[in-house]
Amino acid sequence: DVKVTQSSRYLVKRTGEKVFLECVQDMDHENMFWYRQDPGLGLRLIYFSYDVKMKEKGDIPEGYSVSREKKERFSLILESASTNQTSMYLCASSFRGEGAEAFFGQGTRLTVV
Amino acid sequence: GEDVEQSLFLSVREGDSSVINCTYTDSSSTYLYWYKQEPGAGLQLLTYIFSNMDMKQDQRLTVLLNKKDKHLSLRIADTQTGDSAIYFCAPRSGGGSYIPTFGRGTSLIVHP
Repeated sequence: DVKVTQSSRYLVKRTGEKVFLECVQDMDHENMFWYRQDPGLGLRLIYFSYDVKMKEKGDIPEGYSVSREKKERFSLILESASTNQTSMYLCASSFRGEGAEAFFGQGTRLTVV
Repeated sequence: GEDVEQSLFLSVREGDSSVINCTYTDSSSTYLYWYKQEPGAGLQLLTYIFSNMDMKQDQRLTVLLNKKDKHLSLRIADTQTGDSAIYFCAPRSGGGSYIPTFGRGTSLIVHP
């Protein structure tokens, strides 16, 4: 069974804090993704990575950065959390091959107060 | 990039059929996935269809593809309260593209 594990289900952070969201996958997938999900807006891609130390901006990268030091781990960093970053964050991973299915973690619901 | 459109809500009675529709823009989409998201959880792959197929049936699920109109639908027969969830359409292109793109999701509400 493929497992994508996000470090926290729920997080509450203060405005201005630096926040780390961690994601680990155990299927040796090359690709990893971070999305945020907001009601009525669906899933929006923040960043993705196709290899260790490689990263590409998605549709909404502002206010976020990422780190991929090991193949199995992809971290999302909120440099200075703001209330408009309150959201559900979803990590996913997949093989690089054509049409490969994406596997998702259970999500982290982040509230910034 | 790919644009994917879905209606936001669908409400049905338990036992009825549900039909969730999706339109997409990228005619090179070769794999077309449907994901299901239950409350408070991540997305799970529900079913998929290859672009060279018109229809795929999997127990209570039927996927129809109209490639000419770039229209995909998911039919759930005998809908149960456990089918209440958000359903995402996710066409995926072959070739060099490997980023899954999702519609906004359709919230299916099943009434007893």
